[in-house]
Parts: sequence; structure tokens; C-alpha cells
Amino acid sequence: AQSVTQPDIHITVSEGASLELRCNYSYGATPYLFWYVQSPGQGLQLLLKYFSGDTLVQGIKGFEAEFKRSQSSFNLRKPSVHWSDAAEYFCAVISNSGYALNFGKGTSLLVTP
Amino acid sequence: NAGVTQTPKFRVLKTGQSMTLLCAQDMNHEYMYWYRQDPGMGLRLIHYSVGEGTTAKGEVPDGYNVSRLKKQNFLLGLESAAPSQTSVYFCASSYSRRNTEAFFGQGTRLTVV
Repeated sequence: AQSVTQPDIHITVSEGASLELRCNYSYGATPYLFWYVQSPGQGLQLLLKYFSGDTLVQGIKGFEAEFKRSQSSFNLRKPSVHWSDAAEYFCAVISNSGYALNFGKGTSLLVTP
Repeated sequence: NAGVTQTPKFRVLKTGQSMTLLCAQDMNHEYMYWYRQDPGMGLRLIHYSVGEGTTAKGEVPDGYNVSRLKKQNFLLGLESAAPSQTSVYFCASSYSRRNTEAFFGQGTRLTVV
């Protein structure tokens, strides 16, 4: 079954520092991959998605992600983190049914001054 | 444009009580989903619907029922609530199967005592 693994439960970075959140997927064919962000007490908002084509995907809020088939990874990056980026980040892949998303367990990002 | 609206936002139930969570979307989306979010577990799919009058089981369907009598509404029912159903419930909708984003509601925090 399609699944994603987010190895890091918590990550702390200093404001202004670069960020990379890891996501590994398990899928036989080309996966449809997503990154969502959840601010405290809020629903989920799509940051970016990958279906095909250019393996470097640009998203909202200055985020980008790179699809690497050889490493089965879809890591999320941001060059300079802002305090407002503190949130929970979820990687997701379309499920076997093709109808719904399978989510990773999330990475909680803390941004320090 | 409201997007996806969940009602209620908070609820406390006693064990054995029943309740219905309502999800409404105004984007004319075909696909709708119910997820539950628990600490350290990410989001897990309960049930989903691929169109009016259709529903299907997700990863964790036991103890829940759903109905999609109108295209814009997706109801999640708990017939006899259990403490294990204490969770945050999210509804989502999407236009098509794979290559569009899922839009999420703000969530319903349910506590079963």
C-alpha cells in the first residue's frame, strides 16, 4: 500500500535558518505527493504538490520540495524560516483507492528567536 | 466563499451517546472525506464518498457511519460513542481523484467521557 514516512517527529530551527523536512514514500509507480501545513487549532492547508514533470516543485509561503525517485523521497525545504512557520507539517500520498490521501504522522516545527 | 464548513466545532459526549457531525462544501466537489487526527498518528481516513449517494470505508471505519444524501453534505455518525473515539475530526473535499488538492474544514474536537 502507498504510504509515507516522516522520520522526524519534532524539529527546532532558529528564525532565519534554513529548513528541510524529510518525507519518504512507498509506492510502485509514480506517486502523487503532497505537503500540507497545519497551524495550531486550524485545518490543513496545501503547501505544494507533485504529480509529474519537473522534480523541483515550488509552493506557497516560500516552500519548495524535491522529488527524488532514486531515494523515494519528497523533502520539503525553505531557505529562511520565519516565526510564523511554526506548525505541524504533513507529507501525503494518494492512497491505493486513488480517492484519498494517506498521511505521514507529521513533523512539528518549532522556530526559536 | 466558505469552502468546507464543519459543525459543531467542539462537543463533549458521554459514553454510549450518539451524535452526527456535519460537513458542508460549497465548491461543487464530487469527493468528500472524513479523517480523524490523533497525537502521533497523523490523519487517518474513516470514510469517503466519490459522489452523491455513494460511500466507502477507509482505514478506520469501525464505530462510524456516513451518509451523502446531497452532493454538498457529508455526515459522520457515531451511534454509540466510546472514549477511543475522542479525537479531532476533519472533513475534506476535492474536485477529482488525483491531481487536485483536498480542501479541509477547521475540524471538530470531540471528547467522549
